[in-house]
Amino acid sequence: DTGVSQDPRHKITKRGQNVTFRCDPISEHNRLYWYRQTLGQGPEFLTYFQNEAQLEKSRLLSDRFSAERPKGSFSTLEIQRTEQGDSAMYLCASEGVGMYFGPGTRLTVT
Amino acid sequence: AQKVTQAQTEISVVEKEDVTLDCVYETRDTTYYLFWYKQPPSGELVFLIRRNSFDEQNEISGRYSWNFQKSTSSFNFTITASQVVDSAVYFCALTPRGSSNTGKLIFGQGTTLQVKP
Repeated sequence: DTGVSQDPRHKITKRGQNVTFRCDPISEHNRLYWYRQTLGQGPEFLTYFQNEAQLEKSRLLSDRFSAERPKGSFSTLEIQRTEQGDSAMYLCASEGVGMYFGPGTRLTVT
Repeated sequence: AQKVTQAQTEISVVEKEDVTLDCVYETRDTTYYLFWYKQPPSGELVFLIRRNSFDEQNEISGRYSWNFQKSTSSFNFTITASQVVDSAVYFCALTPRGSSNTGKLIFGQGTTLQVKP
């Protein structure tokens, strides 16, 4: 058990570009969550998966956002046509006894 | 509606002082979980505790203790004999228990704790 990992840790992109983040959860955890955290705020729920099925999406997740979890293992979060308002820390978590968060991907849109 | 309020935005203490971080929550659910997380400057959220709504016993883990009071909807966190390494942002969070989505946490805005040497 090496914990939840995320890649990349930092991403700087220009407005209008597409970006994709990856999350590898703790291997025995079936549920995987994506959160977004902006500066000075607590994390906000975006979406979650039970195995490969995406079961809930927040209203925060606009049409430009898409998440997948093929084969119920790792997950990807893609943002198309990035906007400056997308700049945030994107956190992945997997659920066991508690919720275990990864180190996050910090996105900066210039 | 569910809500978590951490009224203390920033707290500064001197090392070895005791400090209590307040958390007040609102929920209509009869069963729920409460959490505390620590977010050090490195950014990773570290899980500290999960408490279910049926268990109002206080919990102690080393220098950390938690006081859960359903009557006042509070779940306060005390650090005894604070250390510089305790400096971080601390988040309280809530989720309904018994739902299909117990990982959908509602976070407070966090309390920044600075422990000075």
